[in-house]
Amino acid sequence: DAGVIQSPRHEVTEMGQEVTLRCKPISGHDYLFWYRQTMMRGLELLIYFNNNVPIDDSGMPEDRFSAKMPNASFSTLKIQPSEPRDSAVYFCASSGQGVYNSPLHFGNGTRLTVT
Amino acid sequence: AQSVTQPDIHITVSEGASLELRCNYSYGATPYLFWYVQSPGQGLQLLLKYFSGDTLVQGIKGFEAEFKRSQSSFNLRKPSVHWSDAAEYFCAVGGGADGLTFGKGTHLIIQP
Repeated sequence: DAGVIQSPRHEVTEMGQEVTLRCKPISGHDYLFWYRQTMMRGLELLIYFNNNVPIDDSGMPEDRFSAKMPNASFSTLKIQPSEPRDSAVYFCASSGQGVYNSPLHFGNGTRLTVT
Repeated sequence: AQSVTQPDIHITVSEGASLELRCNYSYGATPYLFWYVQSPGQGLQLLLKYFSGDTLVQGIKGFEAEFKRSQSSFNLRKPSVHWSDAAEYFCAVGGGADGLTFGKGTHLIIQP
């Protein structure tokens, strides 16, 4: 089991550019979560999917953020246009039996820096 | 809305000493409670969880936590810490439709 795989590990971009973060969940996991981690706000849930369907996107900060899950093995989080305040570590996590019934398995994160 | 408070941003403990990390939560019903650990440059790993039943739960790496409903607390403990326990520790609460809510974390420093 390779675990949750995120790419890239680091992303540096200029303000106004489009950024796409990628995630491959653990095979067989039905739930996928995107979190953002900053010093000021800690870990924030942005959006989560169940069986590829977005269930709760209330944490997505604004329309510049969008997330998709076209199939069970791939998800993207896109920021367009990016802003310096988007700089953070973005984590993808998956779980097999619901939001609470099984642990979240986290990827190693993507550290995004917007200059 | 559910929330989690970890009142200690940093904790320094000598190697071999006991450890207690505090966690207080706010939730309207019986919560699902979790402790996760994060090593530098990595994602979070589950240490233990509480759903129901025995209020003292055992986790990996020798950690345990006790659910106290009257105090809305779920403190993490370890009788003797090792240098490898140095990390960031997160308490989390869930149960509603909002997904898991994490505290801001406690940074654990181990002194030799």
